[in-house]
Amino acid sequence: EAGVAQSPRYKIIEKRQSVAFWCNPISGHATLYWYQQILGQGPKLLIQFQNNGVVDDSQLPKDRFSAERLKGVDSTLKIQPAKLEDSAVYLCASSLAQGALNEQFFGPGTRLTVL
Amino acid sequence: QKEVEQNSGPLSVPEGAIASLNCTYSDRGSQSFFWYRQYSGKSPELIMFIYSNGDKEDGRFTAQLNKASQYVSLLIRDSQPSDSATYLCAVISAGGTSYGKLTFGQGTILTVHP
Repeated sequence: EAGVAQSPRYKIIEKRQSVAFWCNPISGHATLYWYQQILGQGPKLLIQFQNNGVVDDSQLPKDRFSAERLKGVDSTLKIQPAKLEDSAVYLCASSLAQGALNEQFFGPGTRLTVL
Repeated sequence: QKEVEQNSGPLSVPEGAIASLNCTYSDRGSQSFFWYRQYSGKSPELIMFIYSNGDKEDGRFTAQLNKASQYVSLLIRDSQPSDSATYLCAVISAGGTSYGKLTFGQGTILTVHP
């Protein structure tokens, strides 16, 4: 079974530029998550999708971050414009369904450096 | 107060010893508790989850939960150098139970030296 795919793996941009990340979840997984992990911290949930609907985006900085999951499969996360503090690893995860006991499987992440 | 707190370490133990990792959480209504392992530069991987009081054992790993004290721990017996990683505690709080929202602690760095 193929895992969660993410691209690119690394991205370096200057502040105020835009960037987009792509995620392809495990086949058949209805729930998709985007996390931000700053160095030395645990992952922080940015947004959670159930199929193509948003379940939770309470911690997404909506003035600069946006995410979509068209057709309930792939997802993109965009930052526009980027700030220095956005430097982090952006992790995508998926689970078969939402709920307390559904294991989340993480992708390899995209390491973003904002200069 | 952080929702999920861990001692960031680093925790250093000799090979073959028991490593004890601890986590406290603030939401008394939290339902489920997870331990993830994250190697440097890699993504988190689930080791164990526990949702009822007491102990849960899986090979060399034991998770312990005490809801009254709002405390969950992970014991690693016969620690090996390959166990050296960051261990993340994650909690599903009462409000997030219906859709499985995980809140992570900052992680504890474990180093097992030969």
